[in-house]
Amino acid sequence: EPEVTQTPSHQVTQMGQEVILRCVPISNHLYFYWYRQILGQKVEFLVSFYNNEISEKSEIFDDQFSVERPDGSNFTLKIRSTKLEDSAMYFCASSDAGSGAQYFGPGTRLLVL
Amino acid sequence: RKEVEQDPGPFNVPEGATVAFNCTYSNSASQSFFWYRQDCRKEPKLLMSVYSSGNEDGRFTAQLNRASQYISLLIRDSKLSDSATYLCVVRVISSGSARQLTFGSGTQLTVLP
Repeated sequence: EPEVTQTPSHQVTQMGQEVILRCVPISNHLYFYWYRQILGQKVEFLVSFYNNEISEKSEIFDDQFSVERPDGSNFTLKIRSTKLEDSAMYFCASSDAGSGAQYFGPGTRLLVL
Repeated sequence: RKEVEQDPGPFNVPEGATVAFNCTYSNSASQSFFWYRQDCRKEPKLLMSVYSSGNEDGRFTAQLNRASQYISLLIRDSKLSDSATYLCVVRVISSGSARQLTFGSGTQLTVLP
């Protein structure tokens, strides 16, 4: 069964550093997403991406965040200057054109010190 | 008012019991509905989509009442492996490309031997 994969599984960084989280969505999916989940809280939407551009973003997704699809398989989330409050689990997800159901990767646990 | 509201639980039930979870959503423009399950520190996994006519998948039955903006999940003959947090998830169509999912905080289920 095809799966969304994410690397790294864990990332520890110093406040103010840049991090890049990587995802490989399911190969025939067209829509890509990033969500985050702060420990003990609910899953929150960050951004959706379709046809090589951002289609929606939440208030959380400010100028410190960016996404990119650098090639035909990878989808990345960059945080330019990390803050302590960016510590969370970051999930990548993908969906096909119609069903609406999104399939999540295993997540990257980011810890900002 | 929270966009998606769930009883946080925890629900502790014996093996073989039937357990029901409820969820309400606030946005009447919500278009798609799902139940996901999330194991501790893992990604949300799609359990089932929820259709207006109600749908069943093995021991799981989901119901949707659009008039009351209410979704339910029934688990029959519960197994130890059903222990997880159950997430009620909705998708609101605000524009043609809007696909972000809005998550409830989840209901924690523990099935006891």
